[in-house]
Amino acid sequence: AQRVTQPEKLLSVFKGAPVELKCNYSYSGSPELFWYVQYSRQRLQLLLRHISRESIKGFTADLNKGETSFHLKKPFAQEEDSAMYYCALMAGGTSYGKLTFGQGTILTVHP
Amino acid sequence: NAGVMQNPRHLVRRRGQEARLRCSPMKGHSHVYWYRQLPEEGLKFMVYLQKENIIDESGMPKERFSAEFPKEGPSILRIQQVVRGDSAAYFCASSPDGHGYTFGSGTRLTVV
Repeated sequence: AQRVTQPEKLLSVFKGAPVELKCNYSYSGSPELFWYVQYSRQRLQLLLRHISRESIKGFTADLNKGETSFHLKKPFAQEEDSAMYYCALMAGGTSYGKLTFGQGTILTVHP
Repeated sequence: NAGVMQNPRHLVRRRGQEARLRCSPMKGHSHVYWYRQLPEEGLKFMVYLQKENIIDESGMPKERFSAEFPKEGPSILRIQQVVRGDSAAYFCASSPDGHGYTFGSGTRLTVV
């Protein structure tokens, strides 16, 4: 069975500082990895997915299969980045379409 | 396109009552997923449906919980004889193809 771990429940940084939200996964096959964000009082939104290799709002994430990690990074955090961030994995085969989420990390960016 | 609509946003039920949560997917989306978020936990998959079919219900408790996605109308997650432990946020997501998800705002169920 697949599993996603976000070791930090809370993460605080100051504006302009680099930020890294950690995500590790376990899955025997070839996963599809995502980061979702939930701003205060808003719905869960897709931030980025590893297969598209995009940079959204300055965030990037690289899939490291050797370390089974998909950490989310931003070189200069902004106050508007304060939100709950979820790492999620989509397995293949019969689990197609089903997401396994980590527990989430609350990021607070202080002015 | 109004996005994925869930209602009600908040639902309060007494122990033993039934709870019905509705999810209207985005136009053109025939895949619907339900997730539950218990306090202090991440979202957990419950069930995956396509029109009139349950594809995967491996995350659904075996008793009291059921889901449907009829040919016409919204998807319904039904919880019979609710207990305090059912208190959670229930999120619905829809997809046109099982890849790109759009989430609803969720229904927060409180059992008193």
